[in-house]
Amino acid sequence: EAGVVQSPRYKIIEKKQPVAFWCNPISGHNTLYWYRQNLGQGPELLIRYENEEAVDDSQLPKDRFSAERLKGVDSTLKIQPAELGDSAVYLCASSFGGKRETQYFGPGTRLLVL
Amino acid sequence: KNEVEQSPQNLTAQEGEFITINCSYSVGISALHWLQQHPGGGIVSLFMLSSGKKKHGRLIATINIQEKHSSLHITASHPRDSAVYICAVESGETSGSRLTFGEGTQLTVNP
Repeated sequence: EAGVVQSPRYKIIEKKQPVAFWCNPISGHNTLYWYRQNLGQGPELLIRYENEEAVDDSQLPKDRFSAERLKGVDSTLKIQPAELGDSAVYLCASSFGGKRETQYFGPGTRLLVL
Repeated sequence: KNEVEQSPQNLTAQEGEFITINCSYSVGISALHWLQQHPGGGIVSLFMLSSGKKKHGRLIATINIQEKHSSLHITASHPRDSAVYICAVESGETSGSRLTFGEGTQLTVNP
Protein backbone atom coordinates (compact mmCIF):
# COMPACT_ATOMS: atom_id res chain seq x y z
CA GLU A 1 0.00 0.00 0.00
CA ALA A 2 1.35 3.40 -0.95
CA GLY A 3 1.97 5.85 1.84
CA VAL A 4 1.25 9.56 1.91
CA VAL A 5 2.78 11.15 -1.16
CA GLN A 6 4.02 14.72 -1.21
CA SER A 7 5.60 16.81 -3.91
CA PRO A 8 7.90 18.48 -4.42
CA ARG A 9 10.38 17.18 -1.86
CA TYR A 10 12.44 20.36 -1.97
CA LYS A 11 11.70 23.87 -3.12
CA ILE A 12 13.86 26.98 -3.20
CA ILE A 13 12.21 30.27 -4.05
CA GLU A 14 12.84 33.96 -3.63
CA LYS A 15 10.75 35.93 -1.19
CA LYS A 16 7.49 37.35 -2.53
CA GLN A 17 7.16 34.44 -4.97
CA PRO A 18 4.24 32.00 -4.75
CA VAL A 19 4.70 28.33 -3.96
CA ALA A 20 2.40 25.32 -3.82
CA PHE A 21 2.69 21.93 -2.20
CA TRP A 22 0.71 18.84 -3.12
CA CYS A 23 -0.34 15.90 -0.98
CA ASN A 24 -2.05 12.62 -1.83
CA PRO A 25 -3.16 10.79 1.31
CA ILE A 26 -3.45 7.08 1.86
CA SER A 27 -6.42 5.68 -0.02
CA GLY A 28 -9.54 5.65 2.11
CA HIS A 29 -8.25 8.13 4.68
CA ASN A 30 -10.89 10.78 5.28
CA THR A 31 -8.83 13.10 7.44
CA LEU A 32 -5.94 15.08 6.05
CA TYR A 33 -3.57 17.36 7.96
CA TRP A 34 -1.05 19.98 6.91
CA TYR A 35 1.70 20.73 9.42
CA ARG A 36 4.63 23.12 9.42
CA GLN A 37 7.83 22.11 11.18
CA ASN A 38 10.53 24.66 11.92
CA LEU A 39 14.06 23.52 12.54
CA GLY A 40 14.49 21.96 15.97
CA GLN A 41 10.80 22.10 16.79
CA GLY A 42 7.83 19.81 16.66
CA PRO A 43 5.24 20.09 13.89
CA GLU A 44 2.45 22.64 14.22
CA LEU A 45 -0.95 22.08 12.69
CA LEU A 46 -1.90 24.47 9.91
CA ILE A 47 -5.17 22.94 8.75
CA ARG A 48 -7.19 19.74 9.13
CA TYR A 49 -9.72 18.43 6.63
CA GLU A 50 -12.51 15.96 7.19
CA ASN A 51 -13.21 14.87 3.61
CA GLU A 52 -13.41 18.15 1.68
CA GLU A 53 -14.31 20.31 4.69
CA ALA A 54 -11.69 22.33 6.53
CA VAL A 55 -12.70 21.68 10.14
CA ASP A 56 -9.71 23.26 11.89
CA ASP A 57 -7.84 26.10 10.20
CA SER A 58 -7.40 28.33 13.22
CA GLN A 59 -3.62 28.33 12.92
CA LEU A 60 -3.46 28.92 9.17
CA PRO A 61 -2.11 32.42 8.39
CA LYS A 62 -4.93 33.27 6.07
CA ASP A 63 -3.41 36.46 4.71
CA ARG A 64 -0.90 34.48 2.68
CA PHE A 65 -1.73 30.79 3.08
CA SER A 66 -4.54 28.92 1.41
CA ALA A 67 -5.44 25.27 1.08
CA GLU A 68 -7.95 23.18 -0.76
CA ARG A 69 -9.14 19.60 -0.92
CA LEU A 70 -11.79 19.88 -3.57
CA LYS A 71 -12.76 16.24 -4.05
CA GLY A 72 -11.91 15.07 -0.56
CA VAL A 73 -8.83 13.21 -1.72
CA ASP A 74 -5.63 15.06 -2.59
CA SER A 75 -4.87 18.52 -1.28
CA THR A 76 -2.85 21.59 -2.18
CA LEU A 77 -1.31 24.11 0.21
CA LYS A 78 -0.31 27.47 -1.24
CA ILE A 79 1.72 30.40 0.03
CA GLN A 80 1.46 33.73 -1.77
CA PRO A 81 3.61 35.69 -1.33
CA ALA A 82 6.29 33.72 0.50
CA GLU A 83 8.32 35.37 3.25
CA LEU A 84 11.73 34.47 4.67
CA GLY A 85 10.10 33.13 7.83
CA ASP A 86 8.14 30.57 5.82
CA SER A 87 11.27 28.47 5.38
CA ALA A 88 10.36 25.17 7.04
CA VAL A 89 9.34 21.60 6.32
CA TYR A 90 5.69 21.25 5.34
CA LEU A 91 4.30 17.90 6.32
CA CYS A 92 1.10 16.25 5.18
CA ALA A 93 -0.51 13.47 7.18
CA SER A 94 -3.66 11.44 6.89
CA SER A 95 -5.75 9.18 9.06
CA PHE A 96 -8.78 6.98 8.62
CA GLY A 97 -10.83 9.02 11.05
CA GLY A 98 -10.16 12.03 13.23
CA LYS A 99 -10.08 11.01 16.84
CA ARG A 100 -7.68 8.52 18.42
CA GLU A 101 -6.42 7.41 15.05
CA THR A 102 -2.85 6.88 13.99
CA GLN A 103 -1.66 9.61 11.67
CA TYR A 104 0.51 8.60 8.73
CA PHE A 105 2.98 11.23 7.61
CA GLY A 106 4.37 11.99 4.21
CA PRO A 107 8.08 12.71 3.68
CA GLY A 108 7.50 16.46 3.75
CA THR A 109 8.43 19.34 1.49
CA ARG A 110 11.48 21.30 2.57
CA LEU A 111 10.99 24.96 1.62
CA LEU A 112 13.78 27.51 1.56
CA VAL A 113 12.84 31.12 0.95
CA LEU A 114 15.77 33.34 -0.04
CA LYS B 1 5.22 27.26 29.18
CA ASN B 2 4.57 24.80 26.37
CA GLU B 3 1.61 22.46 26.67
CA VAL B 4 3.93 19.52 25.99
CA GLU B 5 7.38 19.35 27.55
CA GLN B 6 9.93 16.67 26.73
CA SER B 7 13.13 15.79 28.50
CA PRO B 8 15.91 15.50 27.83
CA GLN B 9 16.29 17.58 24.68
CA ASN B 10 19.37 15.61 23.66
CA LEU B 11 20.47 12.17 24.75
CA THR B 12 23.60 10.24 23.86
CA ALA B 13 23.90 6.59 24.81
CA GLN B 14 26.13 3.62 24.19
CA GLU B 15 24.78 0.65 22.31
CA GLY B 16 22.95 -1.69 24.66
CA GLU B 17 21.93 0.92 27.21
CA PHE B 18 18.40 1.29 28.53
CA ILE B 19 16.94 4.64 27.46
CA THR B 20 14.11 6.70 28.91
CA ILE B 21 12.53 9.78 27.35
CA ASN B 22 9.97 11.72 29.34
CA CYS B 23 6.94 13.74 28.34
CA SER B 24 4.81 15.98 30.56
CA TYR B 25 1.69 17.79 29.47
CA SER B 26 -0.56 20.39 31.00
CA VAL B 27 -3.90 19.92 29.24
CA GLY B 28 -6.65 17.34 29.30
CA ILE B 29 -6.08 14.76 26.62
CA SER B 30 -7.88 11.93 24.90
CA ALA B 31 -4.69 10.17 23.82
CA LEU B 32 -0.93 10.54 23.74
CA HIS B 33 1.22 9.67 20.75
CA TRP B 34 4.91 8.83 20.50
CA LEU B 35 6.49 9.33 17.10
CA GLN B 36 9.92 8.83 15.60
CA GLN B 37 11.51 11.17 13.09
CA HIS B 38 14.58 10.17 11.13
CA PRO B 39 16.91 12.60 9.33
CA GLY B 40 15.22 13.73 6.14
CA GLY B 41 11.92 14.36 7.86
CA GLY B 42 9.99 11.10 7.74
CA ILE B 43 7.76 10.71 10.81
CA VAL B 44 6.51 7.32 11.95
CA SER B 45 3.93 6.72 14.63
CA LEU B 46 5.23 4.39 17.34
CA PHE B 47 2.45 4.32 19.92
CA MET B 48 -0.91 5.79 20.70
CA LEU B 49 -2.08 5.29 24.26
CA SER B 50 -4.64 6.66 26.65
CA SER B 51 -3.85 4.55 29.71
CA GLY B 52 -1.40 2.02 31.06
CA LYS B 53 1.40 0.61 29.02
CA LYS B 54 2.11 -0.62 25.51
CA LYS B 55 5.04 -2.64 24.22
CA HIS B 56 6.32 -3.20 20.71
CA GLY B 57 9.59 -5.04 20.34
CA ARG B 58 12.23 -3.16 22.31
CA LEU B 59 10.01 -0.11 22.79
CA ILE B 60 7.76 0.43 25.78
CA ALA B 61 5.46 3.39 26.36
CA THR B 62 3.71 4.19 29.61
CA ILE B 63 1.30 6.88 30.64
CA ASN B 64 0.09 8.16 34.00
CA ILE B 65 -3.06 10.18 33.40
CA GLN B 66 -3.28 11.52 36.95
CA GLU B 67 0.27 12.84 36.84
CA LYS B 68 0.00 13.93 33.18
CA HIS B 69 3.21 12.17 32.34
CA SER B 70 4.37 9.60 29.83
CA SER B 71 7.65 7.80 29.25
CA LEU B 72 9.15 6.06 26.25
CA HIS B 73 11.68 3.37 27.03
CA ILE B 74 14.07 1.66 24.65
CA THR B 75 15.70 -1.54 25.85
CA ALA B 76 19.00 -2.79 24.45
CA SER B 77 19.47 0.36 22.38
CA HIS B 78 21.06 0.16 18.96
CA PRO B 79 22.61 2.77 16.66
CA ARG B 80 19.64 2.40 14.32
CA ASP B 81 17.46 3.80 17.14
CA SER B 82 19.18 7.16 16.61
CA ALA B 83 16.43 9.60 15.70
CA VAL B 84 14.26 12.36 17.12
CA TYR B 85 11.49 11.05 19.35
CA ILE B 86 8.43 13.26 19.59
CA CYS B 87 5.61 13.20 22.11
CA ALA B 88 2.25 14.58 20.99
CA VAL B 89 -1.00 14.92 22.90
CA GLU B 90 -4.40 14.65 21.34
CA SER B 91 -7.24 16.82 22.56
CA GLY B 92 -10.25 18.50 21.12
CA GLU B 93 -13.84 18.23 20.21
CA THR B 94 -15.63 14.93 19.70
CA SER B 95 -15.78 15.32 15.94
CA GLY B 96 -12.05 15.41 15.54
CA SER B 97 -8.82 16.09 17.28
CA ARG B 98 -5.70 18.17 17.23
CA LEU B 99 -2.20 16.96 18.01
CA THR B 100 0.04 19.27 19.99
CA PHE B 101 3.66 18.24 19.65
CA GLY B 102 6.61 18.51 21.96
CA GLU B 103 9.89 19.77 20.57
CA GLY B 104 11.37 16.31 20.41
CA THR B 105 14.30 14.48 21.96
CA GLN B 106 17.34 13.90 19.78
CA LEU B 107 18.69 10.44 20.58
CA THR B 108 22.12 9.32 19.43
CA VAL B 109 23.21 5.76 20.13
CA ASN B 110 26.88 5.14 19.60
CA PRO B 111 28.27 1.71 18.71
